[in-house]
Amino acid sequence: EIVLTQSPGTLSLSPGERATLSCRASQSVSSSYLAWYQQKPGQAPRLLIYGASSRATGIPDRFSGSGSGTDFTLTISRLEPEDFAVYYCQQYGSSPRGTFGQGTKVEIK
Amino acid sequence: QLQLQESGPGLVKPSETLSLTCTVSGGSISSSSYYWGWIRQPPGKGLEWIGSIYYSGSTYYNPSLKSRVTISVDTSKNQFSLKLSSVTAADTAVYYCARPSAAAGIAYWGQGTLVTVSS
Repeated sequence: EIVLTQSPGTLSLSPGERATLSCRASQSVSSSYLAWYQQKPGQAPRLLIYGASSRATGIPDRFSGSGSGTDFTLTISRLEPEDFAVYYCQQYGSSPRGTFGQGTKVEIK
Repeated sequence: QLQLQESGPGLVKPSETLSLTCTVSGGSISSSSYYWGWIRQPPGKGLEWIGSIYYSGSTYYNPSLKSRVTISVDTSKNQFSLKLSSVTAADTAVYYCARPSAAAGIAYWGQGTLVTVSS
């Protein structure tokens, strides 16, 4: 089973700053099957990025995804107040089983 | 707009079976080539994939839960269900139903329902 490791665990930044979140897989992941989610307290996760780099419907272009193989990155170009949340990466295997990273919390510095 | 809604008891006793149902509205559970799945999140922790089912009944389970999990689908009611047997306090979590897509992520989630395992 593929294990996803996210870093850092917590990112302390100010509004307007750039956030770079990492997701590393224990073995190669198809880029087509790598997604990123944002979760705020008391809410279900929200899909941000799918296929490693495609923004989901309605997601602002300050969110971008990149990477391939075992290393993937979510970048938030300029943090808005509503972007402070927990972010998860997720991979979906050839059979419909998925695994999530443990999450990165982006908090206000 | 596709909507998913979980329902079921919020409190389950240890060693008993947790049962939840997800009702799908705004689309037919059998009209398109999607899987339907369950994901859980213990309080203050991360997300854990439980399993998924195709409308035809094919299932895929998290290996760590496989011996205790059953996911089924009722196309006549546009619902799918989760049963988790022999629960312990470690199964206390918010349970989400969702529509996963391999190449398009999980765009549709239920609001989640908290299930507490306690006597």
